[in-house]
Formats: sequence, structure tokens, C-alpha cells
Amino acid sequence: QVQLAQSGAEVKKPEASVKVSCKASGYSFTGNYLHWVRQAPGQGLEWMGWIIPHSGGTNYAQRFQGRVTMTRDTSISTAYMELTGLTFDDTAVYYCAREDSITWKNFDYWGQGTPVTVSS
Amino acid sequence: QSALTQPRSVSGSPGQTVTISCTGTSSDVGGHNHVSWYQHHPGKGPKLMIFDVTKRPSGVPDRFSGSKSGNTASLTISGLQADDEADYYCCSFADSHAYVFGTGTKVSVL
Repeated sequence: QVQLAQSGAEVKKPEASVKVSCKASGYSFTGNYLHWVRQAPGQGLEWMGWIIPHSGGTNYAQRFQGRVTMTRDTSISTAYMELTGLTFDDTAVYYCAREDSITWKNFDYWGQGTPVTVSS
Repeated sequence: QSALTQPRSVSGSPGQTVTISCTGTSSDVGGHNHVSWYQHHPGKGPKLMIFDVTKRPSGVPDRFSGSKSGNTASLTISGLQADDEADYYCCSFADSHAYVFGTGTKVSVL
């Protein structure tokens, strides 16, 4: 069965960086776009961007451009999201989500979420 | 890209019907037929309930239905059940191959 297993919780100081991983199993990793979405405490879901595992191509939401980098390692079916210049506002649960490669433009499987806390 | 606008909360008794609206612009909801809806229970990954405005993934009950008119999409839950209680988010494909989520709606079953 399709699974997206994310790395564990992180605590970071302001100005630091965080790198979250998302290991895919149960399907061909290079066959589907992989997206990153976050949810700050008490807030809604926010789309951050996508990566094409096959080529490494990316597209980031405008508000994260310059601070986010999405990469992948196809040999271990794992995608990564690195966010730099952390502020308290980056405290959130970060999710990876797979885009359905048949119907496209919707997210059919999600990771369990990685809590990231920015604290001094 | 601004978040799509949803009501903060809706509620209904078991068996009733509730509808959640999702209002965007011509750059997202109004300009593309790729609106999806997600059910989110705290502490878990969201679950896809509707895609491409009206389509249901396998396994989602037909009590859940979607529609769109102009810049506003809607999710309707009929025959409301206790385990429908959750947060619901719309999401639209948008210009520049981006995506935008709604502000989220808490559905309460009275």
C-alpha cells in the first residue's frame, strides 16, 4: 500500500534551517509529483510547492521563494524540504502529499506530518 | 495568492445536510476545474474527499458531493454522521501551476 513516512519532530532556533524528509513506498516514486503543505497552529493548510521526482524540477509558492528548497534522492525514494531563515511564524506541522498521476491536480496520499517548532 | 474563503464553521444534526462554500477568483476556482476537498482530523494527514469539482475517489461515500458556480465551489454533506465531524479544506489549482487552499471549515455534528 502507498505510504509516505516523514521524519520526526524538530525544534530549531530563529534564523536556523530545517530539513524534513518524506520516504515513499508502495508505488513508483518517480511517477508522481510530490507536494509540501504546512499548517501553523490554529491556522489552515498552506501549499508550499512541488517537486517532480523524475527530473528534480520544482515550483515554489511565491511567499517561500528564496527560503525553500525541495530535493529528492531517487535511490531511496525520499523527498526533502529544506526551509532556511526560520522565524517563529514557521512553527507548523509540515506534510508531504502525493499528487495522483491518473487524475492529476489533487493529493491522494499524505504523510503523517512533521511538527517543527521554532523557539529561542 | 490569497487563501480561498470558507466559512469558519457549519453545524447540523445527524441526518441533516450541510454545505460548505469556497470562494476564490478567476485565477483559481473560477478559471480551473481542479477543485478538491479534504477532510482533516487533527494529528492525521488530510483525506481526499472530492477532486475535479465533482468526482469522488473510490471509498468515499456518495453522501459527499461537490459543485461549482463561477468563482465559488461547494461541498455538500448529506445524511450527516458523527464521524463527519472534522475540518474541511478546499484546494484549487491556480495560475502558474500553483495551488491554493481554503481557510478551512469546522463541521460540527450536534
